[in-house]
Amino acid sequence: EAGVTQSPTHLIKTRGQQVTLRCSPISGHTSVYWYQQALGLGLQFLLWYDEGEERNRGNFPPRFSGRQFPNYSSELNVNALELEDSALYLCASSPSQTSHVKGEQFFGPGTRLTVL
Amino acid sequence: DAKTTQPTSMDCAEGRAANLPCNHSTISGNEYVYWYRQIHSQGPQYIIHGLKNNETNEMASLIITEDRKSSTLILPHATLRDTAVYYCIVRRGNEKLTFGTGTRLTIIP
Repeated sequence: EAGVTQSPTHLIKTRGQQVTLRCSPISGHTSVYWYQQALGLGLQFLLWYDEGEERNRGNFPPRFSGRQFPNYSSELNVNALELEDSALYLCASSPSQTSHVKGEQFFGPGTRLTVL
Repeated sequence: DAKTTQPTSMDCAEGRAANLPCNHSTISGNEYVYWYRQIHSQGPQYIIHGLKNNETNEMASLIITEDRKSSTLILPHATLRDTAVYYCIVRRGNEKLTFGTGTRLTIIP
């Protein structure tokens, strides 16, 4: 069974640009989570989508946004990139939280974003 | 979410059992204890979770005290590949995961 996949693997952007990161969850999983891990820091929760709806959002500015598609894949968009947005962006998936309240999250390999 | 307290770092000899403690003194009755680990530059990996009873799977054992204020993750026969940062997280079933700073476990050859 294929795991969570993310694309691209690496990305280099300059300040002020916009970026879109993509995530495909494990087949059958309807929840997708996004996390940011800046160098030397812990994982910070960004967004949670379930069944196409945004369920929760972390303490990030509105220029971080996303969406979930009918096939449950997801995109994370970051506008007006800043130097401190350089980080590993991780996506995780789990079964629907309405039916699997104890569900663990399965993480993808991440996208490493560098902002110059 | 209840907060957790873990040692910053630990060493363990290869082949020995690694015991990683976690304090979660303010845990609520409906919060689970989850353990994840993150090997350098990879995404976190789920290890195990439990509510009240001790749990065991192919990776590890989870011992939860009777008052649920602390727990211990046990890797029975540590290998070099177990070197990672281990995160103890308490969470209600339908909430996001909140990662702390974790314990950096180093397995010594």
